[in-house]
Amino acid sequence: EADIYQTPRYLVIGTGKKITLECSQTMGHDKMYWYQQDPGMELHLIHYSYGVNSTEKGDLSSESTVSRIRTEHFPLTLESARPSHTSQYLCASTSMNTEAFFGQGTRLTVV
Amino acid sequence: QKEVEQNSGPLSVPEGAIASLNCTYSDRVSQSFFWYRQYSGKSPELIMSIYSNGDKEDGRFTAQLNKASQYVSLLIRDSQPSDSATYLCAVMDSSYKLIFGSGTRLLVRP
Repeated sequence: EADIYQTPRYLVIGTGKKITLECSQTMGHDKMYWYQQDPGMELHLIHYSYGVNSTEKGDLSSESTVSRIRTEHFPLTLESARPSHTSQYLCASTSMNTEAFFGQGTRLTVV
Repeated sequence: QKEVEQNSGPLSVPEGAIASLNCTYSDRVSQSFFWYRQYSGKSPELIMSIYSNGDKEDGRFTAQLNKASQYVSLLIRDSQPSDSATYLCAVMDSSYKLIFGSGTRLLVRP
């Protein structure tokens, strides 16, 4: 069973608010990922990290930022939420030649 | 050209048949390959991982990898209606990005 957790599961927030989506894993994986997925659509990589103090932008431009200060923790922050940020955000982790697991996801609605 | 390509489907098979799902990737130095199943509104669920050329079997599922052809496939034997879902192929490329295909929708008819 995967030990990767995302909080909150659901979030409804007003436009202009700052939000942080949490992702933590206890598997010691060095690589972590954030994806954005709209209903019925494909997964888009928005950020990834291959180790502590390393972060890279993914293929989909995003106004969010991430940090990787500890191996197990990879939070995603939106400084000023907008309705266009409404989506599902999925976090995953893996190491070399190790299975990659997803958290349960955070469904964000910006009103 | 997309980095990971899948036929979007839907692929429709009768119950008990073999479903064959295919995926191609562009980064020749890709290292790890995964198949996920995703039900509507849920997170992707890992089915199989494969890291070297050849076949890997796990129950009703067989993953096949051919690095020379940059091709990975998933066979589902004795398909069940509960297998109806979107199947995602994922590839870790040489820069450690974990890239997903757009998914193939599988429908298993009772």
